[in-house]
Amino acid sequence: EDQVTQSPEALRLQEGESSSLNCSYTVSGLRGLFWYRQDPGKGPEFLFTLYSAGEEKEKERLKATLTKKESFLHITAPKPEDSATYLCAVRANYGQNFVFGPGTRLSVLP
Amino acid sequence: EAGVTQFPSHSVIEKGQTVTLRCDPISGHDNLYWYRRVMGKEIKFLLHFVKESKQDESGMPNNRFLAERTGGTYSTLKVQPAELEDSGVYFCASSQWLAGSSYEQYFGPGTRLTVT
Repeated sequence: EDQVTQSPEALRLQEGESSSLNCSYTVSGLRGLFWYRQDPGKGPEFLFTLYSAGEEKEKERLKATLTKKESFLHITAPKPEDSATYLCAVRANYGQNFVFGPGTRLSVLP
Repeated sequence: EAGVTQFPSHSVIEKGQTVTLRCDPISGHDNLYWYRRVMGKEIKFLLHFVKESKQDESGMPNNRFLAERTGGTYSTLKVQPAELEDSGVYFCASSQWLAGSSYEQYFGPGTRLTVT
């Protein structure tokens, strides 16, 4: 069964304190790993898609990397506006739906 | 370009009643998905439309849930009769696969359903 886990469950950082979020996955044939950001009361907002091990994507203070078993979302010098829940999802070869992880709740304190 | 919209944003109904949720995908997106997040759990897939056809409904919990997408545009998800365990946030997403593009799905804001 396809499975996605994320750690930590929650993370509190001081503004400027860099860190990484982890997404570990088990899927039969990875067709894509997706990172989303979700703010309270809103739907997930697309950040990145990664397709193969070794791939990296960057956007502002965020950088996503992918290996054969996990993905990391690195946050460099975060700001309070980066506070949100970060969701990881995978898409398998056999279908088009996503399997989501439980998310990491990030709080960045000023 | 307008994003995915959902209506209503919040619905409170009593057990046994019927509720219909609506999703308007991004214009031109053939793929439409319904997902659900119940309290404390991760977002779970319900079903997938390609235009007006149901491509995959393996995530639908039971026959109290009925999804339609007439004309391949907006979609409705009806719950009849609603049970307490149906409470949660229902998300709709849409995507359009084009050669050379990625498969990201764009999500709506969700409908929060509370069954009392």
